[in-house]
Amino acid sequence: NAGVMQNPRHLVRRRGQEARLRCSPMKGHSHVYWYRQLPEEGLKFMVYLQKENIIDESGMPKERFSAEFPKEGPSILRIQQVVRGDSAAYFCASSPHPRQPQHFGDGTRLSIL
Amino acid sequence: GIQVEQSPPDLILQEGANSTLRCNFSDSVNNLQWFHQNPWGQLINLFYIPSGTKQNGRLSATTVATERYSLLYISSSQTTDSGVYFCAVEHENYGQNFVFGPGTRLSVLP
Repeated sequence: NAGVMQNPRHLVRRRGQEARLRCSPMKGHSHVYWYRQLPEEGLKFMVYLQKENIIDESGMPKERFSAEFPKEGPSILRIQQVVRGDSAAYFCASSPHPRQPQHFGDGTRLSIL
Repeated sequence: GIQVEQSPPDLILQEGANSTLRCNFSDSVNNLQWFHQNPWGQLINLFYIPSGTKQNGRLSATTVATERYSLLYISSSQTTDSGVYFCAVEHENYGQNFVFGPGTRLSVLP
């Protein structure tokens, strides 16, 4: 049973470009969570999604960031017009139900030049 | 929101030593997990332990929910145990997202 798959593992963008990060949850999991880890810090919650719905986006910056989890395909975290401060590791987690253990992917390391 | 503290912030051990890592949280929780982030940045799920005690090899964990703390025990430490250990909690009354502690950075020396 494959784990949570994130791609790409590493992503380099120049300031002003767009970054798209993908997350395929574990089989049978319909709840997806995105977290951001800045250098030398812990993980911070960004957004919680179920299929086709955003349940909680209280941790998302108000501008430039968006997330989706379509009926078919992976969840996407999209960052428009990236800036240096967006450089971080972005982790995705999934669970079969709310309040069940969350299983984490290996993360996407985003570097902004 | 809920506050999560971890101690100690840094720990250096000689290979073979035992250690105890602590996680304190400020409110009732539905879920508590311990993670190990290895030097390559991968997050390894160690325990799902909202209450009680669990053991897995050289690692064990205990959560006393009524007193709002959890302990992670590492026995006979190995160099591969090095990395950052995070405690993460899910607040009982607020959402399903995790609040992570700041972590304990463990270095095990050969």
